[in-house]
Amino acid sequence: EAGVTQFPSHSVIEKGQTVTLRCDPISGHDNLYWYRRVMGKEIKFLLHFVKESKQDESGMPNNRFLAERTGGTYSTLKVQPAELEDSGVYFCASSQVRSGELFFGEGSRLTVL
Amino acid sequence: GENVEQHPSTLSVQEGDSAVIKCTYSDSASNYFPWYKQELGKGPQLIIDIRSNVGEKKDQRIAVTLNKTAKHFSLHITETQPEDSAVYFCAASHHAGSARQLTFGSGTQLTVLP
Repeated sequence: EAGVTQFPSHSVIEKGQTVTLRCDPISGHDNLYWYRRVMGKEIKFLLHFVKESKQDESGMPNNRFLAERTGGTYSTLKVQPAELEDSGVYFCASSQVRSGELFFGEGSRLTVL
Repeated sequence: GENVEQHPSTLSVQEGDSAVIKCTYSDSASNYFPWYKQELGKGPQLIIDIRSNVGEKKDQRIAVTLNKTAKHFSLHITETQPEDSAVYFCAASHHAGSARQLTFGSGTQLTVLP
């Protein structure tokens, strides 16, 4: 069974540009989460989807970040326009049930120059 | 909101020795405490977890202890091996809505020296 897959693995963009990260959760997992780790610090929660609905987006830093999960399958996280402080590793995780184990993807490293 | 502090940030041990990583949390409502291992180039992987109604849990060479009164929990790895080298994260959450919004510690880079 395929795990959580994320694309791209690494993206380098200039300040002001746009980047879209994609996450494909484990098949059948209704719960999808985005987290990020900035500058070697703690991994921070960004938001949580149940199917296509946003359940909690309290961790989204500002309105430059837009997450979608059309059809309740894969999810995208768009950063527009990117700023230097957005650099970090963005992790996607999924779980079958709300209280179930989280399975993380390998992350998408974003570098904003 | 919840705040989780993790120590040490780096830890080097000789193969065969034990390693201990400690975390403290601030929200007394937290009742689920997982530990994740992140190997180079991979995502975090759950290695063990403990719920607040249990004081200790063990799985082979890995054990976790929880002190609810002091609000701290620890990861113990015995008989360390080179493949235990990785970044370890502790985390905490409470079952509000039973969702897995985790608050993570800042991570511990464990190096096991052969």
